[in-house]
Amino acid sequence: SQTIHQWPATLVQPVGSPLSLECTVEGTSNPNLYWYRQAAGRGLQLLFYSVGIGQISSEVPQNLSASRPQDRQFILSSKKLLLSDSGFYLCAWSPGLAGYNEQFFGPGTRLTVL
Amino acid sequence: AQSVTQLDSHVSVSEGTPVLLRCNYSSSYSPSLFWYVQHPNKGLQLLLKYTSAATLVKGINGFEAEFKKSETSFHLTKPSAHMSDAAEYFCVVSQRYNQGGKLIFGQGTELSVKP
Repeated sequence: SQTIHQWPATLVQPVGSPLSLECTVEGTSNPNLYWYRQAAGRGLQLLFYSVGIGQISSEVPQNLSASRPQDRQFILSSKKLLLSDSGFYLCAWSPGLAGYNEQFFGPGTRLTVL
Repeated sequence: AQSVTQLDSHVSVSEGTPVLLRCNYSSSYSPSLFWYVQHPNKGLQLLLKYTSAATLVKGINGFEAEFKKSETSFHLTKPSAHMSDAAEYFCVVSQRYNQGGKLIFGQGTELSVKP
């Protein structure tokens, strides 16, 4: 069966510091991968998605970047965090096959920028 | 263009009574529709999905949803609420075969269950 991991689970960082959040998927190959942010009391905002190694699509201009160095690894980064980067970050995967687009979510990372 | 509207930001029910969470969608093409549940500080879990087969879709934990094309609705129901059902619920639409498999999320409905 497939599983998705995210770490760390929680993170407190000062403004201006760098960020690296990691997501890995097990038990599947060639997945589509996604990064979402969920601000307090709000819905999910898609940040990035990837349909293959090295292929990253950005949905909104922002202070963040994403990379996919391996098939089942997806990394969210920032060089300098802003207060507005605080939130709950969720990674998700989908089978990547045409017509099968339900997504499966990781446990999330709670980021607090002080 | 696609969009989804969850008509209630918060729903409160008593344990053992029916649950109705309302969702309307807009899609130019045949949509796929989903309901996800999120417990506090957890990831999202897929409850059920509609992908053009039966219009009445049964999901996990006793939930079901009915796709009504004429009303562009996909309401989530459960006959009898349990305390463990208290969570945030998201209605989601996607255009089948869209590039990247992107999903459009509603703003969520918080379900409270009173003892």
